[in-house]
Amino acid sequence: EVQLVQSGVEVKKPGESLKISCKGSGYSFSTYWIGWVRQMPGKGLEWMGIIYPGDSDTKYSPAFQGQVTISADKSISTAYLQWSSLRVSDTAMYYCARHEGTVWDAFDIWGQGTMVTVSS
Amino acid sequence: SYVLTQPPSVSVAPGQTARITCGGNNIGTKSAHWYQQKPGQAPVLVVDDENDRPSGIPERFSGSKSGNTATLTISRVEAGDEADFYCQVWDSSSDQGVFGGGTKLTVL
Repeated sequence: EVQLVQSGVEVKKPGESLKISCKGSGYSFSTYWIGWVRQMPGKGLEWMGIIYPGDSDTKYSPAFQGQVTISADKSISTAYLQWSSLRVSDTAMYYCARHEGTVWDAFDIWGQGTMVTVSS
Repeated sequence: SYVLTQPPSVSVAPGQTARITCGGNNIGTKSAHWYQQKPGQAPVLVVDDENDRPSGIPERFSGSKSGNTATLTISRVEAGDEADFYCQVWDSSSDQGVFGGGTKLTVL
């Protein structure tokens, strides 16, 4: 079964760092783009960025460039999303998703989501 | 940056046809995909640009596009179709993906 499994719920304080993960299984992880999507409470989906695990080619939305870092370790079939200094406004559900093929293709497989809460 | 515009809400009676639009500049020339998200769940792909549906998605769901509008059509709507729906494209000019704002489908 092709699936993406994300790390668990996180509760952090402003200014803290965080790295959440997304582990792929059931397919060749290195050869499919993985994207990250933010959903703030009660709001819509926001495209954050994507990474190609095979060579770590990464593309960011201007809204998130410099705010987060997307990385991947193909040896363990895992993609990451990290923050160096969290803000209250980073409170959201974060999803990883796999592109079917190229970046023009749909996100065909989604992780279950990681809820990040940032509060003092 | 590229903007996709969806109506905030669409309401339809059971058994009728729901049409959810997604407006964007020349979206007819882009690959447009549709996702369904039910409360408390992750999004699920329902129709891709080739109008293909993943396994388990009913044939009642179909997509089309022309000019500046892409449309998700749901035939013979059922109560279980009630959800938020999002369109998504890849914008080659800015080299990034874009989601529409989402449409809440209510089954009356």
